[in-house]
Amino acid sequence: DTEVTQTPKHLVMGMTNKKSLKCEQHMGHRAMYWYKQKAKKPPELMFVYSYEKLSINESVPSRFSPECPNSSLLNLHLHALQPEDSALYLCASSQRDSGSDTQYFGPGTRLTVL
Amino acid sequence: DAKTTQPTSMDCAEGRAANLPCNHSTISGNEYVYWYRQIHSQGPQYIIHGLKNNETNEMASLIITEDRKSSTLILPHATLRDTAVYYCIVRANTGGFKTIFGAGTRLFVKA
Repeated sequence: DTEVTQTPKHLVMGMTNKKSLKCEQHMGHRAMYWYKQKAKKPPELMFVYSYEKLSINESVPSRFSPECPNSSLLNLHLHALQPEDSALYLCASSQRDSGSDTQYFGPGTRLTVL
Repeated sequence: DAKTTQPTSMDCAEGRAANLPCNHSTISGNEYVYWYRQIHSQGPQYIIHGLKNNETNEMASLIITEDRKSSTLILPHATLRDTAVYYCIVRANTGGFKTIFGAGTRLFVKA
């Protein structure tokens, strides 16, 4: 099973709202990732968690706040977003310790900021 | 910046082999070549990866040149459902596990 699940599938929020995106995997993977993808562009890495610790933050604005409560879950807390933050947000996971470290992606959350 | 360059788009007739090239001339010795594809508005789907040797699985074959500076993804019998954006990525399995996607190749499979 190589499934990564993300909820919700779609989210519409105002600029003053606080919301969270959730990601879950049950493959025993120890690295989890958040990517942002704008229309007709490739995914861009935002954050990487390795063994539940934040290991990469690609200079993402503080209105995006990641959280890794345990090895299976990854959250992205959203606050005071701007309309330009509207995008597809993708979660991925990888095993971290194998010789090759294949990432498996979830279906994404389509976020619209009004 | 992405470490790979790919054609912007390619066409392929249904039932024929689709050969998607990728240049990665600055690849390091510990970097693998990964291929993913993304069908409209879905998450990227893993296809195949390799380090030095050619690889084959149920979806595709990966041919890596001896100097490792380029590779080709082969879909042996393309179907309409293979129409997607195909991304070639080089990625080390040590360090920060940073992944940078290039622009990818948009493959159109035509009936």
